Amino acid sequence: DGGITQSPKYLFRKEGQNVTLSCEQNLNHDAMYWYRQDPGQGLRLIYYSQIVNDFQKGDIAEGYSVSREKKESFPLTVTSAQKNPTAFYLCASSIDGQGAGGYTFGSGTRLTVV
Amino acid sequence: EDKVVQSPLSLVVHEGDTVTLNCSYEVTNFRSLLWYKQEKKAPTFLFMLTSSGIEKKSGRLSSILDKKELFSILNITATQTGDSAVYLCAGASNTGKLIFGQGTTLQVKP
Repeated sequence: DGGITQSPKYLFRKEGQNVTLSCEQNLNHDAMYWYRQDPGQGLRLIYYSQIVNDFQKGDIAEGYSVSREKKESFPLTVTSAQKNPTAFYLCASSIDGQGAGGYTFGSGTRLTVV
Repeated sequence: EDKVVQSPLSLVVHEGDTVTLNCSYEVTNFRSLLWYKQEKKAPTFLFMLTSSGIEKKSGRLSSILDKKELFSILNITATQTGDSAVYLCAGASNTGKLIFGQGTTLQVKP
């Protein structure tokens, strides 16, 4: 079955460490997105990529970095510069950069800074 | 600045009640309005609305978009405990960006 796989489901990080969240899709979608969700809040866009080797900052990109070297993969690195990284991270994809075909979400990664 | 605002933020009803969830949006180069249900982890897709005034239905759920007033509603009739979830509204631009609202937490009591 096609879909989006995020790993790991739970991640613990010590302060000052960088950590990378994985997102892989086998839907042959061009566009991929990273969102952050805090308790009681909606999803906020971190980064998005409409095509391989290209990506744009979302609304809360500070302290995060991404790469899009392959169509099926869009890893997110949470750097030590991110002041409050504890959150639920969701990856999504869409057929094209215009989102005409809707969006598919992964199951998320819950990151906790200890 | 693009924004999507949902109301109410939380709602408690009893089984059998009908609920209406509201979503207002301001999205540059607006393309569509989407509704999602989030129970534990990944949001699951409910509706995508692109045309004004055309109701979309799926079982007990229905939704409609008003592009003049920049507003959408999600109706759930004859609610069941399984409808308890966070309902997310999102505005999509033609650049592919999704801007989400804060979500409405619905609790349906037996």
